[in-house]
Amino acid sequence: NAGVTQTPKFRVLKTGQSMTLLCAQDMNHEYMYWYRQDPGMGLRLIHYSVGEGTTAKGEVPDGYNVSRLKKQNFLLGLESAAPSQTSVYFCASKASGRETQYFGPGTRLLVL
Amino acid sequence: KQEVTQIPAALSVPEGENLVLNCSFTDSAIYNLQWFRQDPGKGLTSLLLIQSSQREQTSGRLNASLDKSSGRSTLYIAASQPGDSATYLCAGGGSNYKLTFGKGTLLTVNP
Repeated sequence: NAGVTQTPKFRVLKTGQSMTLLCAQDMNHEYMYWYRQDPGMGLRLIHYSVGEGTTAKGEVPDGYNVSRLKKQNFLLGLESAAPSQTSVYFCASKASGRETQYFGPGTRLLVL
Repeated sequence: KQEVTQIPAALSVPEGENLVLNCSFTDSAIYNLQWFRQDPGKGLTSLLLIQSSQREQTSGRLNASLDKSSGRSTLYIAASQPGDSATYLCAGGGSNYKLTFGKGTLLTVNP
């Protein structure tokens, strides 16, 4: 099992550009989450999904959209990137009936 | 709104010392309390998870406790080693198991 993988590992964007971050898991997990990690702020939840075709807002959803068209994939989109979205983005997944979340290696995003 | 605080923010100890990391949370209605380890530039590795009905969990040299009434959790590391150097994060699990994280404790174990 590859576990939770994230694509890309690193990306530089200019203000106003758009991009999509991909999270994939091969553990057949129902729940998936997107977090961002900023210095001095800890990790904060952006959006999450409790199953294929469902999404919900977390603590800091503004400026992001998500989609869960396939159970194994959770996409995070930035329609118009802003410097405030410079961060490290982590995806996590969890099996239904279990409580432990498993995290991907992260995507470092720099918005100039 | 759940808030999670970790003290201290940084800790430096000599090898072999036993140590305790502290975590406090404001909402006692948590579903679970999870401790993670994060190495520089890496993702998070789950160390221990304590369900809301439990008081402690142990794995090897690690022991985590949970006291919901006081809003506190501790992570005890026995006989610390240089390889234990990392940032330790605690997180409280809420509805839909959404995690609220503390800012972490940066641990350095000196040989």
